[in-house]
Parts: sequence; C-alpha cells; structure tokens
Amino acid sequence: AQSVTQLDSHVSVSEGTPVLLRCNYSSSYSPSLFWYVQHPNKGLQLLLKYTSAATLVKGINGFEAEFKKSETSFHLTKPSAHMSDAAEYFCVALKKAAGNKLTFGGGTRVLVKP
Amino acid sequence: DARVTQTPRHKVTEMGQEVTMRCQPILGHNTVFWYRQTMMQGLELLAYFRNRAPLDDSGMPKDRFSAEMPDATLATLKIQPSEPRDSAVYFCASGFSGEETQYFGPGTRLLVL
Repeated sequence: AQSVTQLDSHVSVSEGTPVLLRCNYSSSYSPSLFWYVQHPNKGLQLLLKYTSAATLVKGINGFEAEFKKSETSFHLTKPSAHMSDAAEYFCVALKKAAGNKLTFGGGTRVLVKP
Repeated sequence: DARVTQTPRHKVTEMGQEVTMRCQPILGHNTVFWYRQTMMQGLELLAYFRNRAPLDDSGMPKDRFSAEMPDATLATLKIQPSEPRDSAVYFCASGFSGEETQYFGPGTRLLVL
C-alpha cells in the first residue's frame, strides 16, 4: 500500500528565515510526487511536481523540493519565508497503476511570524 | 485563466435533506475527482470519472451518496439523506488522463445540522 507521511503537523518560522517541510513516502516503486498548498478557505493549488525527471524540482513562489529515492523523501524548502506563505501544505503521491489516484499526506500547517 | 468551478461555495442544511453539489471541470479535461476534507480524516477520494464514466467510487458511502457526470462540463455529487457526519469541505478536481496534475476547485463547505 502506498502512504505519504508528513513529519510535522505544524511548522512555525519567522519571516525571512528558511522553511523546511518534510515528507516521506512508501511505495514499491517511485511514484509521481506533488506539493499542494491550501490557503484558508481556498482550494488546493499546485506548487510543484516530480515525475522522474530532475530530482530537484522548482515550483512557484520560490519553493523547491528534492526527491531522494534512497531516503524515500520529497522535502519542500524555501530560502526565505514570506507572510503570504502561511497556509497548509500537502505532500501528495500519485500511482498510475492505481488509476491516477492521489494519496495525500496529513498536511503541515505553516505559521509565519513577523 | 481556466479554473475548476464549484457551486454552491457554502451550504447549510438540516439532517435528512438532499444536498447537490456541482462542479464544472476545466474545459477539455477528461478526468474528474471528488474529494472530501475533514479535520479528522484529512483529504479522502470519494469518486473518480474518466470520459464521464465512473471508474472508482469505492471511497463513497453508497447508501446515501451518488456521483454523476450528465455531460462533459458538469459533475454532480448528491447526498440523500444528509447527516451531520457529512459536514465537510467537498472538493472537485479535474485533469487529463494522460497527465498527472489535478486542478482543484475552491470547494463546497457543507454543514449539516
């Protein structure tokens, strides 16, 4: 069975400092991986995706994620947090053999302090 | 700027009433997904359509939930009768079957009293 684990349910950072959101996945083979962001009372917006091309993936709003197969990780980072980054972030895996169904991590809520 | 639209955005109803949620996928997309988000369960897949045909609705309570695509521009999710435990945010997402990204709508926030 495929599962996605986000290691932190809440992360608090100061504006201007780096952000690290951790995600591990379990799967018998490399799935496609995504990070989505959900701002309060909004839908999910795609930040970036990994689909077995470059292991370092750059997304929107200065975010990037690195796929590490040996660690089964896909951590999301941003060098300098902005107040507008306060939101909930979901690490998501897709397994094509399962009909393109998404498996969601539990989410990490990011608080940005001024 | 193509987007998935969902109506209504908010719905408050009483237990036992029928609820219908609508989704307009992005024009040209041929896959549609319905998800439910709750504090306790997080995001769960309810149903999945490709080319208007239901491929997987194993996540949906069959006795009260039904999902349909009357045409390529409209997907519906119905709950009859509704129960307080159905209170959640329901998201629709669409995409292409050959492409992996799903594009999410803004959601319908449902409260069943």
